[in-house]
Amino acid sequence: RKEVEQDPGPFNVPEGATVAFNCTYSNSASQSFFWYRQDCRKEPKLLMSVYSSGNEDGRFTAQLNRASQYISLLIRDSKLSDSATYLCAVRTDSSYKLIFGSGTRLLVRP
Amino acid sequence: GAGVSQSPRYKVAKRGQDVALRCDPISGHVSLFWYQQALGQGPEFLTYFQNEAQLDKSGLPSDRFFAERPEGSVSTLKIQRTQQEDSAVYLCASSGGTSGGLEQFFGPGTRLTVL
Repeated sequence: RKEVEQDPGPFNVPEGATVAFNCTYSNSASQSFFWYRQDCRKEPKLLMSVYSSGNEDGRFTAQLNRASQYISLLIRDSKLSDSATYLCAVRTDSSYKLIFGSGTRLLVRP
Repeated sequence: GAGVSQSPRYKVAKRGQDVALRCDPISGHVSLFWYQQALGQGPEFLTYFQNEAQLDKSGLPSDRFFAERPEGSVSTLKIQRTQQEDSAVYLCASSGGTSGGLEQFFGPGTRLTVL
């Protein structure tokens, strides 16, 4: 079993839809959590950090569920430009490296 | 300001050839990371530097892989006697805190193809 798992998708949604992705992690010592966005043949770009209390940035909301060991990303009012692969990443305090999931592909259609 | 830069952006090597990949982190960033990303996968950790010290190289897949950051700024990832399985995108990331705990920002990557 991989340490960080994501549904690969693709999630195919119409513009304006709300879509949610989950990411599960197996290491209970994980302390920091992030969502990255990666466009085709580009580098991952930090979308948002995920805080224990949950956080929101415009149309994007991230939540952490420590008991069930997953993080989620909710995108409201999807835009065509949201089409990308969304990578979750976790880090334990004992190690500075990020452990990534394989990514969830989102396609937003007109 | 300038982000993380990497060179070359693309590299084609014949099997058995040595390659060197360069990373220029964000100015002033203490921590530098190398990751390897295969097609359809997330980035996988290779190694981590804090200034010039290589604190973690647990992700390097074999002794053919070597990384250095001699002056605590620019870093080079060297792969000796390349094999076809080394074909991947090599990503460099930097972060600002001494604990490495701040968010990591990625460079555009070097796409290595080994023939």
